[in-house]
Amino acid sequence: NAGVMQNPRHLVRRRGQEARLRCSPMKGHSHVYWYRQLPEEGLKFMVYLQKENIIDESGMPKERFSAEFPKEGPSILRIQQVVRGDSAAYFCASSPDRATSGANVLTFGAGSRLTVL
Amino acid sequence: AQSVTQLDSQVPVFEEAPVELRCNYSSSVSVYLFWYVQYPNQGLQLLLKYLSGSTLVKGINGFEAEFNKSQTSFHLRKPSVHISDTAEYFCAVSDPSVGTALIFGKGTTLSVSS
Repeated sequence: NAGVMQNPRHLVRRRGQEARLRCSPMKGHSHVYWYRQLPEEGLKFMVYLQKENIIDESGMPKERFSAEFPKEGPSILRIQQVVRGDSAAYFCASSPDRATSGANVLTFGAGSRLTVL
Repeated sequence: AQSVTQLDSQVPVFEEAPVELRCNYSSSVSVYLFWYVQYPNQGLQLLLKYLSGSTLVKGINGFEAEFNKSQTSFHLRKPSVHISDTAEYFCAVSDPSVGTALIFGKGTTLSVSS
């Protein structure tokens, strides 16, 4: 029973390149959340998705960042034209359908650490 | 808007001593409350949660937390810590009526030494 799987675990990009981070939720989970962790800042919510729908993207930067959760395959967080300030740990979490769980209990992946040179 | 304040960024303690990590939240509605732990270079693991009912919640690894509605607090406690408890601890809140994502505090680093 695999947990939330994120890959790559580590990604190095040069300024101006694109970064793609993938997240496969736990089996049976249909909700995916992306968070960004910067040193000494805790976790900042970025986006909340269900299959083929973005539910809440209030934490996403207005430019260069996008996320999707297609009908088939993992959720992808895409960062275009990366800058040094994008260097951070990006965590994905998933939860069961809220109607059955009754609470947004999130299960987190191990994270993807992006370094921009 | 909801927010979470973890009052201590770092808490150093000796092994077998008791510890309390403080968390206060601001919300005008009923909330769900959570504590997560993050070990170095790992993801977050759920320690315990308060959804409703008894205000004293017991979690894994001997941790417990008490929900205090009047003080809007959800402090985490352990009567005797171990070296292996060294980690970062995050308090989080969510609004059950809205169903949005968790809002996290900035975290407290617990350092246990012998």
